[in-house]
Amino acid sequence: DTGVSQNPRHKITKRGQNVTFRCDPISEHNRLYWYRQTLGQGPEFLTYFQNEAQLEKSRLLSDRFSAERPKGSFSTLEIQRTEQGDSAMYLCASSSGLAGGRVETQYFGPGTRLLVL
Amino acid sequence: AQSVTQPDIHITVSEGASLELRCNYSYGATPYLFWYVQSPGQGLQLLLKYFSGDTLVQGIKGFEAEFKRSQSSFNLRKPSVHWSDAAEYFCAVGASGGSYIPTFGRGTSLIVHP
Repeated sequence: DTGVSQNPRHKITKRGQNVTFRCDPISEHNRLYWYRQTLGQGPEFLTYFQNEAQLEKSRLLSDRFSAERPKGSFSTLEIQRTEQGDSAMYLCASSSGLAGGRVETQYFGPGTRLLVL
Repeated sequence: AQSVTQPDIHITVSEGASLELRCNYSYGATPYLFWYVQSPGQGLQLLLKYFSGDTLVQGIKGFEAEFKRSQSSFNLRKPSVHWSDAAEYFCAVGASGGSYIPTFGRGTSLIVHP
């Protein structure tokens, strides 16, 4: 399977704990995106990478959130000192990066569902 | 900045009936438009997209959508719905320049009655 993969698929944690999610994009896709999705809502943009460079961050991405893509391949999203309001589905997507300066078709992973108790 | 509205939170249809899901966008230039489908607990799957050219776009699973600039709409249609089409459907709009990030609507939940 050469699609976008995310691990873990589910995470339950206690408030105040740190959690880390991993995303493996489609091989050779240059762009990688993180979204958050809460119940009854569409995906909300968090951050975006072009290769290893983090080029854009949403205001939703508070200081407790950090994302990395160290070698331009997989990416991690860490949430420190989790709060109950962080409970959501965290989606990763990738795109080829070949379209130049415009939006591209994004391919989504299955998501990581986080529950903060 | 672009925005998208999906006016229907839920749509209920009978199996075999036709379907139309509404999507209205706001963007000053020609937008890039997408429809995605999400099954429960899963990620989003692309159904179809419009970048340019023919305004009637064919997608997977028998879906089609029509871009109507005059109405700022990109409605999704299917002539005969199957029970397996029950899912959440998201319309998204992207700018034709400047930002790589599409904006998603809040989604329409499709319920299919046997």
